[in-house]
Amino acid sequence: QVQLVQSGAEVIKPGSSVKVSCKTSGGTFSGFAFAWVRQAPGQGLEWMGGIIPVYETTKYTQSFQDRLMITADDATGTVYMQLSSLRSEDTAIYYCARVPRGYFSYYFDSWGQGTLVTVSS
Amino acid sequence: ENVLTQSPATLALSPGERATLSCVASQNIRNNYLAWYQHKPGLAPRLLIYDGSRRATGTPDRFSGSGSGTDFTLTISRLEPEDFAVYYCQQYDWSPPNTFGGGTKVEIK
Repeated sequence: QVQLVQSGAEVIKPGSSVKVSCKTSGGTFSGFAFAWVRQAPGQGLEWMGGIIPVYETTKYTQSFQDRLMITADDATGTVYMQLSSLRSEDTAIYYCARVPRGYFSYYFDSWGQGTLVTVSS
Repeated sequence: ENVLTQSPATLALSPGERATLSCVASQNIRNNYLAWYQHKPGLAPRLLIYDGSRRATGTPDRFSGSGSGTDFTLTISRLEPEDFAVYYCQQYDWSPPNTFGGGTKVEIK
């Protein structure tokens, strides 16, 4: 059973960046896609972007195109999400999720526990 | 972008009752590429249904998915106490973003 374990909560000042990690265990890393999904307070789920580590392919939604970077480390089976130029509206819980295929257009079969990122001065 | 609209926003029911949740897409979803997730506060979302009607591993058979095209339904035949949560639909037919619906909260009446 694959598990995704995310890094801990962060408090970040406006204008700064945050980097959240998502380590996989119990399953194959390569050959799957991973995505980041966020939930702002009182809001629904929002797909931000994803990565297919074996192809080093990334895709970002237009909303985050300019300030989101998703990377992966094959050696440790870890996916990273870095969001820059943070503003108060980026306060949210950020989830990593696994796609059980090597492409993005599929459902998520495993999720991380979520990382709360609070943007506050 | 394929916009998913879920209704109702909130459903107040008692344990043992039947819950019917709707998810309507703005554009046709081919191959029933629609999933349902259960989300409880403080926990990770959990996949319940994929491909419109296929139960994920571990999903109790009181959960069923149906529909095609633009109209999809999640039915919980008899609500158990652990079923009170928020439910999201997600389409994965159209290119990313793989959009989610706004969610339906099933709460105890």
